[in-house]
Amino acid sequence: AQSVTQLGSHVSVSEGALVLLRCNYSSSVPPYLFWYVQYPNQGLQLLLKYTSAATLVKGINGFEAEFKKSETSFHLTKPSAHMSDAAEYFCAVSVRDDKIIFGKGTRLHILP
Amino acid sequence: DSGVTQTPKHLITATGQRVTLRCSPRSGDLSVYWYQQSLDQGLQFLIHYYNGEERAKGNILERFSAQQFPDLHSELNLSSLELGDSALYFCASSVGEGPVFFGEGSRLTVL
Repeated sequence: AQSVTQLGSHVSVSEGALVLLRCNYSSSVPPYLFWYVQYPNQGLQLLLKYTSAATLVKGINGFEAEFKKSETSFHLTKPSAHMSDAAEYFCAVSVRDDKIIFGKGTRLHILP
Repeated sequence: DSGVTQTPKHLITATGQRVTLRCSPRSGDLSVYWYQQSLDQGLQFLIHYYNGEERAKGNILERFSAQQFPDLHSELNLSSLELGDSALYFCASSVGEGPVFFGEGSRLTVL
């Protein structure tokens, strides 16, 4: 069975600093991996998706994530944080697109 | 605006009651996914429909059921409600490659 672990339920970074949100997965077969963002009082929005093509995946809003099989990781990064990036971020894993397992989420705080 | 419409946005009801949550997917999307989000359980996958057929079931209780109609809208029926069913219920849609577009959710409060 697949699972995903997000390290850190809260992460704070200064505006303009690097954003790094960590995600490790467990899967017995090659997985699909996702990052979603949820702004307050809104639904989730897909940021990016890895489906075994390029290991570096570029998403919306300047985010990207790198699939590292040896580390079973799929960390989300953004070079320069903006105040509007404050939200909750969810990593998710699937071996089929129809059953996606979400991590518990990481709330990103941006410090002025 | 994701294009996914969920109604009602808020619902307050009593234990033992039955409610129906409705989801209209984005135009052209054949897949509808239902998720439950609560503070203690996080985001839990409930069920996935593709073009009217059930594709996968997750942690959906027997008291819950869902269907997708010919016009592709979906309904999630929750019966014999318990306090623990209070949560935010999300619907998501896509053309079939996993949940891409999420609605704003239906917040259910069971008193």
